[in-house]
Amino acid sequence: DIQMTQSPSTLSASVGDRVTITCRASQSINSWLAWYQQKPGKSPKMLIYKASSLESGVPSRFSGSGSGTEFTLTISSLQPDDFATYYCQQYNTYWTFGQGTKVEIK
Amino acid sequence: QVQLVESGGGVVQPGRSLRLSCAASGFTFNSYGMHWVRQAPGKGLDWVALTWYDGSNKYYADSVKGRFTISRDNSKSSLYLQMNSLRAEDTGVYYCAREKVGQAGTFDYWGQGTLVIVSS
Repeated sequence: DIQMTQSPSTLSASVGDRVTITCRASQSINSWLAWYQQKPGKSPKMLIYKASSLESGVPSRFSGSGSGTEFTLTISSLQPDDFATYYCQQYNTYWTFGQGTKVEIK
Repeated sequence: QVQLVESGGGVVQPGRSLRLSCAASGFTFNSYGMHWVRQAPGKGLDWVALTWYDGSNKYYADSVKGRFTISRDNSKSSLYLQMNSLRAEDTGVYYCAREKVGQAGTFDYWGQGTLVIVSS
């Protein structure tokens, strides 16, 4: 099984900050990685697919990068609506999510 | 617009069964692979099962293999999850999710979820 590990687990930041979340795979997943945002009591929303492709309708302040085993999600300028939990997900071999990164208000 | 509406959750005793449904609308259901993903209270996302667009292939997480069965009725635009021999660790919100076209294995639309509680 491919394990996905996100860091940090919790991140405290302010509006306007640049935020970076890291996701590491236990083996190479090429670029088969997606990122999701989930707010409390809501279903997840896809932000990024294939490591760096922005899903339609997602603000351009979100970006993804990486390949192989190490990936990052970057929010260039954190907005009030961005405080949420973020999950990475591999789809190279079956489907596995990271444990999540909660972005909270500093 | 795309809508996925789950139903069938509830409180059930360990060892018993439950059947979840997901009613789809706003898209051509029989063209899409469909998944179930669950989330234990306060925890992360956990993939459960996939059925191909035509139901010809199905895949399961090891934790549910042999106990859960995913199925679909394309004539009714509906997805199902039959859950047998339920355990306390199956407790959580169950989401149905649609695969993104061209990026099989990613989920571009999710339902609102249905809560399953396994408890005596």
